[in-house]
Order: sequence, then structure tokens, then C-alpha cells
Amino acid sequence: DAGVIQSPRHEVTEMGQEVTLRCKPISGHDYLFWYRQTMMQGLELLVYFNNKAVMDDSGMPKDRFSAKMPNASFSTLKIQPSEPRDSAVYFCASSWGQASNQPQHFGDGTRLSIL
Amino acid sequence: EDQVTQSPEALRLQEGESSSLNCSYTVSGLRGLFWYRQDPGKGPEFLFTLYSAGEEKEKERLKATLTKKESFLHITAPKPEDSATYLCAGNAGGTSYGKLTFGQGTILTVHP
Repeated sequence: DAGVIQSPRHEVTEMGQEVTLRCKPISGHDYLFWYRQTMMQGLELLVYFNNKAVMDDSGMPKDRFSAKMPNASFSTLKIQPSEPRDSAVYFCASSWGQASNQPQHFGDGTRLSIL
Repeated sequence: EDQVTQSPEALRLQEGESSSLNCSYTVSGLRGLFWYRQDPGKGPEFLFTLYSAGEEKEKERLKATLTKKESFLHITAPKPEDSATYLCAGNAGGTSYGKLTFGQGTILTVHP
């Protein structure tokens, strides 16, 4: 079975440029999560969706970040304009079901470097 | 504020030397405590979910336990392939479903 698929795997761009990260969740999963991982902060939840609707985006800097899920099999996380402090590994995860005990399954991440 | 603290930050073991990793949590109304393994360049890989104090789960050389304040990941007779970062996370459930609070992780290195 295909897992969570993220693209690109690596992105290097200059400060001020727009960056778009992409995610395809596991088929049938109705929850999708975007995380950011850094050495200092560890894994932080940015935003999550249930059935394509944003449930919580309190962890996302809304002045420059935006997240969308136009259909059940695709989500994007956009940063505009990008800043060096956005350099991190961004993970997408998906899970199934209403219960809080369902594990989240992670993709292999996008390593983002903003110069 | 929900908080998850893992210790030690790093652990070096010889192959076959058993040990334990600790995860202390203050998560209101904990609905699940999750353990993940993360290899370099990869996303976290799900290992276990624990729901209530006293619960234990095992997988190969790993056993996870849960009390009201902390969780332990016991590693019995580890092998070099067990080297990874181990993450624990708490889920408060209810209206906060999905908001996993992760600890900083324990980097485990097992030497042959």
C-alpha cells in the first residue's frame, strides 16, 4: 500500500520566493496534518484538516503561510514570502476515523532551505 | 498547556544492553499516548498507542508501558538496527483531537 507521498523531497530557494509543498494522503484517510520539525522546536503541528475542512490552524503563521485541501487526495502548504527562519523539514501525515486513538502516518518530509 | 518531556536526550548502548526511555506528560484528559520511531531522513513511523494506566504493548524487542504521569519504552537486548530517534506524543482528545503534542525525542545509538 502506498503511504503518504510528499513532494518535493528537497527545496532550496532564496528569501522572498514563494514555496509550495505538496502532499497526497493515504487513500481513505479523512484527517490530514502538516507539521514542521526543527532541532530547536522539535515537531510542531501547523494545521490539520478533517474531510478537507480546516479544523485547527492555530500553529500556523497566517501572515505568510496558507494551507489548502481542494480534494480528498491532495493538499498544499504555501509560504509567501519565504524567510530563512522557515528552513525546516515539513511533514505531512494522515489518519482515519473519529476516534482519538488512530495513529497518524507520516510521509518522508520536504527538507526546505531558505537562503 | 500540554507538555511532553523525554529523557534522556541521547542514549548509547552496547548491543544486548537493555535499557529504558522515559516520556513524562502533562496532557489534560489524555486520550492516547503514542510512540514513534524516526530514522534519519525519514518521517516518524508508528510503533504503539497506549490508552490507560497499566497498559503494556510489545513489538519484538520493544515494550511500552503507561502510568498516570509517564510512559516507558523498554528495549530488551537491542541490536544496531534499533538505532533511531524515538518520539512520544500525547493526544488530549475531544475537541483537540489530532493535536498531538510531541516530545523532543531520545536519540538511541546501539553499538555492535
